[in-house]
Amino acid sequence: ETGVTQTPRHLVMGMTNKKSLKCEQHLGHNAMYWYKQSAKKPLELMFVYNFKEQTENNSVPSRFSPECPNSSHLFLHLHTLQPEDSALYLCASSQEGGGGALEQFFGPGTRLTVL
Amino acid sequence: QQQVKQSPQSLIVQKGGISIINCAYENTAFDYFPWYQQFPGKGPALLIAIRPDVSEKKEGRFTISFNKSAKQFSLHIMDSQPGDSATYFCAASTRDYKLSFGAGTTVTVRA
Repeated sequence: ETGVTQTPRHLVMGMTNKKSLKCEQHLGHNAMYWYKQSAKKPLELMFVYNFKEQTENNSVPSRFSPECPNSSHLFLHLHTLQPEDSALYLCASSQEGGGGALEQFFGPGTRLTVL
Repeated sequence: QQQVKQSPQSLIVQKGGISIINCAYENTAFDYFPWYQQFPGKGPALLIAIRPDVSEKKEGRFTISFNKSAKQFSLHIMDSQPGDSATYFCAASTRDYKLSFGAGTTVTVRA
């Protein structure tokens, strides 16, 4: 295991539902990320949190709302999603420091299906 | 706009053969080039990475070749094994730690 856990692993929701994805990292890292992975497409960076502060929002629709209560936990709140939002949502963490990018550790992802 | 272009989309190789995956980028500010390996049902995991100050890095059967002038880098998997069957992603980042990923290559190693 990578030290990054995600729940639930699978989620099916209707377009009018509200649900949340949870990510927890046990690595003592100071940065956490949400990515969207669709088939045959590059991983899309959605949000970045550094020391609990959001430092990146990659033009993500407002129906996705992230929350980072502390450096170990990250949530992605979902509401009124569209079928095209169906994808694998990956959480990652890293220890950021001087000198450039460091390794990101990924969780196993949540497979989301929007009906 | 896709910042890192990866090819091929998929490849099949016989056990013991060489798998080669290529990536190209445009942003000359990229200074970190990792390769991630992803098995079904798992998240991507770092396989090997290179900085632009070297032209080649080898770890076991995996080698990155880097051509700074051509803005290209590639992953070579020597003596491919069935356990190497996975999806491989190249990526690149500048010093802001945000990775730009390629679209992935699904490698199938036939026994």
